[in-house]
Amino acid sequence: QKEVEQDPGPLSVPEGAIVSLNCTYSNSAFQYFMWYRQYSRKGPELLMYTYSSGNKEDGRFTAQVDKSSKYISLFIRDSQPSDSATYLCAMSAGSQGNLIFGKGTKLSVKP
Amino acid sequence: ETGVTQTPRHLVMGMTNKKSLKCEQHLGHNAMYWYKQSAKKPLELMFVYNFKEQTENNSVPSRFSPECPNSSHLFLHLHTLQPEDSALYLCASSRDGTSNTGELFFGEGSRLTVL
Repeated sequence: QKEVEQDPGPLSVPEGAIVSLNCTYSNSAFQYFMWYRQYSRKGPELLMYTYSSGNKEDGRFTAQVDKSSKYISLFIRDSQPSDSATYLCAMSAGSQGNLIFGKGTKLSVKP
Repeated sequence: ETGVTQTPRHLVMGMTNKKSLKCEQHLGHNAMYWYKQSAKKPLELMFVYNFKEQTENNSVPSRFSPECPNSSHLFLHLHTLQPEDSALYLCASSRDGTSNTGELFFGEGSRLTVL
């Protein structure tokens, strides 16, 4: 079993839709959870950062972590064409190891 | 210039060539990283430098040779590469070497094609 599983998509939604992106993981020691966004021909940029379990909201974006299920999610409300990008989940156990990335999910928001 | 700058953006080389990728960060960070990004695969950490000292070599073949002359510059020297080395090579920096808890700032990448 891979440490981090992420459906690569592609995922296509109409403008205004609610988007749900997910990752599962196997290492119960993971404590730090991140979502990076990568536009075409660009490097990834940090979008959301969560420590341990719970929710974090930033504008139209909400990150959720459920450590009991080893499952993290990123929700995008009122999706826009400018949200079209690849979304990478990443996580780590802190000082015990490096940042582990998922494969990324390619999202396309159609006007 | 701001952020993390990588050159060249695109590179095509033969299997017997020697070339180098360059990365420069203007963020005052102390740690720099090389990652490899291949299609349909997760980002792979290659090397980590913290305060100019290499702290991580993730079992990378010796045909990839990193160099970090100071905290702002990072190079990846390439020689006798294989076609399977074709990928996007991303440089990143962070305030310190604890990338596992901190924010990574990535460059736009160098797209390498090995013929």
